[in-house]
Amino acid sequence: GQSLEQPSEVTAVEGAIVQINCTYQTSGFYGLSWYQQHDGGAPTFLSYNALDGLEETGRFSSFLSRSDSYGYLLLQELQMKDSASYFCAVPHGSGNTGKLIFGQGTTLQVKP
Amino acid sequence: GAGVSQTPSNKVTEKGKYVELRCDPISGHTALYWYRQSLGQGPEFLIYFQGTGAADDSGLPNDRFFAVRPEGSVSTLKIQRTERGDSAVYLCASSSDAGRSPLHFGNGTRLTVT
Repeated sequence: GQSLEQPSEVTAVEGAIVQINCTYQTSGFYGLSWYQQHDGGAPTFLSYNALDGLEETGRFSSFLSRSDSYGYLLLQELQMKDSASYFCAVPHGSGNTGKLIFGQGTTLQVKP
Repeated sequence: GAGVSQTPSNKVTEKGKYVELRCDPISGHTALYWYRQSLGQGPEFLIYFQGTGAADDSGLPNDRFFAVRPEGSVSTLKIQRTERGDSAVYLCASSSDAGRSPLHFGNGTRLTVT
């Protein structure tokens, strides 16, 4: 089957750096995505890695190692507004149709 | 439109009743997805439309759940004989190119079955 594992909670202080890890098991691999969701809000796309290495987008970076079935989301210069849930996701089943399976999410709490 | 719109934002219904949840995707997005999210969990796939047809409905939990997208734009998720276990946030997402573009989610409909 397909599954993803990520820590349930992470706490950090403003201005710090935090890394949220994700390990996955898939039958085929078409990339690892990250989504952010604030309480009561819509999940919002953050990043996508199809190939090994680091992708940087402003304060957020995402890393993938396909040989280790592992990726992480790196958040730098943390701000209070970064307090949210973060989900890693992979395409579900065979093919890449945009049908995603999500991890259970990591709740990030940023403290002053 | 500017984003994916879902109505109603909240729906409270009694066990056994029928409900309809509406999703208005981003204009021009051909792919539309329904997900269900329970508290403390990630979104769970229900069904995916490419244009008017349901390309994959493997996530629908049982035959009480049905979704349509008759004109390839607005979609309606229909739940018959609701049960308390159906209580969740129902999320709709759309994409301009299924599998190649990210999903754009709406804020969801919070369904509570009493």
